[in-house]
Amino acid sequence: DQQVKQNSPSLSVQEGRISILNCDYTNSMFDYFLWYKKYPAEGPTFLISISSIKDKNEDGRFTVFLNKSAKHLSLHIVPSQPGDSAVYFCAASTGTASKLTFGTGTRLQVTL
Amino acid sequence: EAGVAQSPRYKIIEKRQSVAFWCNPISGHATLYWYQQILGQGPKLLIQFQNNGVVDDSQLPKDRFSAERLKGVDSTLKIQPAKLEDSAVYLCASSPRGANTGELFFGEGSRLTVL
Repeated sequence: DQQVKQNSPSLSVQEGRISILNCDYTNSMFDYFLWYKKYPAEGPTFLISISSIKDKNEDGRFTVFLNKSAKHLSLHIVPSQPGDSAVYFCAASTGTASKLTFGTGTRLQVTL
Repeated sequence: EAGVAQSPRYKIIEKRQSVAFWCNPISGHATLYWYQQILGQGPKLLIQFQNNGVVDDSQLPKDRFSAERLKGVDSTLKIQPAKLEDSAVYLCASSPRGANTGELFFGEGSRLTVL
């Protein structure tokens, strides 16, 4: 049972444009959501998070939006840069201290 | 600040052999996690330690996998005997005690190939 789903395995965006990565979840008990970025041969690194009491969190070029009624979150990267090319994982937990359930990842390629 | 250290980075074994992976978390981090990432999938939690106690090992295949964190610092994950489907990257992560951000710090991973 895949509780966190990233339905787009890959995404290609031109440099300077907006990248939108999507994530859906099925477990209504999830109340904390995170995005991780992973480069080849490296471990995932934390990017941004959002609590279910918010619907938006922004950090520089990165913004995460949460739609609880739709059980959907998205990561917006504006403007996209070549260094953003990586695999992005969505993750969710029931509380900040509990285990993370990850999606399958979306590979973002930012082209020149 | 030194990151999470893992070794070996790569390991190739034949099925039914055994293998062990080592992890040293960030200094002072009380919580340590082992994740399994199979190609094309997201990381899946195998076991979570708080200091030297197990918090969650519900997804650890206990008939072949074992893990320990005897002194509450570094940890070892063992697979014996290995199966073909154990081919994956084994990621170790840590987080500070009482962290309320949910953020985990991952190591570079240990890639296992079972032939």
